[in-house]
Amino acid sequence: AQTVTQSQPEMSVQEAETVTLSCTYDTSENNYYLFWYKQPPSRQMILVIRQEAYKQQNATENRFSVNFQKAAKSFSLKISDSQLGDTAMYFCAFMYGGGSNYKLTFGKGTLLTVNP
Amino acid sequence: NAGVTQTPKFQVLKTGQSMTLQCAQDMNHNSMYWYRQDPGMGLRLIYYSASEGTTDKGEVPNGYNVSRLNKREFSLRLESAAPSQTSVYFCASSAQKGGGTSRYSNQPQHFGDGTRLSIL
Repeated sequence: AQTVTQSQPEMSVQEAETVTLSCTYDTSENNYYLFWYKQPPSRQMILVIRQEAYKQQNATENRFSVNFQKAAKSFSLKISDSQLGDTAMYFCAFMYGGGSNYKLTFGKGTLLTVNP
Repeated sequence: NAGVTQTPKFQVLKTGQSMTLQCAQDMNHNSMYWYRQDPGMGLRLIYYSASEGTTDKGEVPNGYNVSRLNKREFSLRLESAAPSQTSVYFCASSAQKGGGTSRYSNQPQHFGDGTRLSIL
């Protein structure tokens, strides 16, 4: 079974600064996908960024980028130029790419607070 | 552009009562999922449906049943609610297909806004 670990329950950052959220996972599979979801106080689950395990290039989406280290099974999220609207719970998630169920396994989340 | 719609948004039940949470998606997605979110636990999969007509247990299925009524709708039923089922419930859908026809497809899951369920 796959497991996803987010070792930082809470983090804070000053507006306009950069912050990195950590995520490690455990799997014996080679074909899988990784995701970061954001959950603001409104409770919506919003996809931030995704990474295919077979791609060596790190994914980027505007101010969000990942550092994907496959051998180390690490998938950290970097938020540049932090904004107040980035305040949210962030979840790292793993999805096995084979079979037919495509289930997501989530970490327990990191609560990020952006301070003015 | 509704996406995934969950009803109700809030519900309070008494122990032993039954309840069905409704979920509908308008994106023509094949796969649908039910999660529960508890403080400090992240989201945990209750049941999922990889395609119309199929359902399978997830990580925490006990005390729940599901019905994939058609391609659009996937309901979650609590037959006899217990306080331990107090949680926020999320429905999600994705375009993933069964059978691995798109081996490297990475369609993300789209989530509804959640249902906050309290059981007294």
